[in-house]
Amino acid sequence: GAGVSQTPSNKVTEKGKYVELRCDPISGHTALYWYRQSLGQGPEFLIYFQGTGAADDSGLPNDRFFAVRPEGSVSTLKIQRTERGDSAVYLCASSPDSETQYFGPGTRLLVL
Amino acid sequence: AQSVSQHNHHVILSEAASLELGCNYSYGGTVNLFWYVQYPGQHLQLLLKYFSGDPLVKGIKGFEAEFIKSKFSFNLRKPSVQWSDTAEYFCAVEPNFGNEKLTFGTGTRLTIIP
Repeated sequence: GAGVSQTPSNKVTEKGKYVELRCDPISGHTALYWYRQSLGQGPEFLIYFQGTGAADDSGLPNDRFFAVRPEGSVSTLKIQRTERGDSAVYLCASSPDSETQYFGPGTRLLVL
Repeated sequence: AQSVSQHNHHVILSEAASLELGCNYSYGGTVNLFWYVQYPGQHLQLLLKYFSGDPLVKGIKGFEAEFIKSKFSFNLRKPSVQWSDTAEYFCAVEPNFGNEKLTFGTGTRLTIIP
């Protein structure tokens, strides 16, 4: 079946701009996660949704970052006033049972 | 908060050699443990996981890992590697009380020479 999909696959933006990154989880998966992976590092947790609500947003680095999942399926990660340090691969994962997370291909964000 | 250490940053082996990648974690309670693999140009895939029971777990493609609680370790092994095992390998830990948050190590890049 279809896996987790993320769009766009690549995003180039200028410092100070607003970006939205989209995640389509595997159908029926109630849990959805966002991670950020910088060059040479492992993925770092950002936020976790169970259904429509953010169960844990402790990994969001600051208030420029926000994520929503209004209908309990698709999620959007929003970054305001982007900075060069936000450049990274943003990964989305979903899970049917909060045990095993299935990852998408990621969105590579480059802030110039 | 939990943390994960992968001390081998880059490992180079010849085909048919045996593999062991180290993973140590720091956390005071019970954990779930994972190994993920990222092949060139592909997304992260689960290799194997440990939740409870037999500390020796077997995963896909002939990989296995052993949880040694006293050493806080979860090393990944494969008796005979293939060129197709060239990839980046990530160890991850999650507290076993349902907080759902995976903490990853920095990864080990494995290069297999034909």
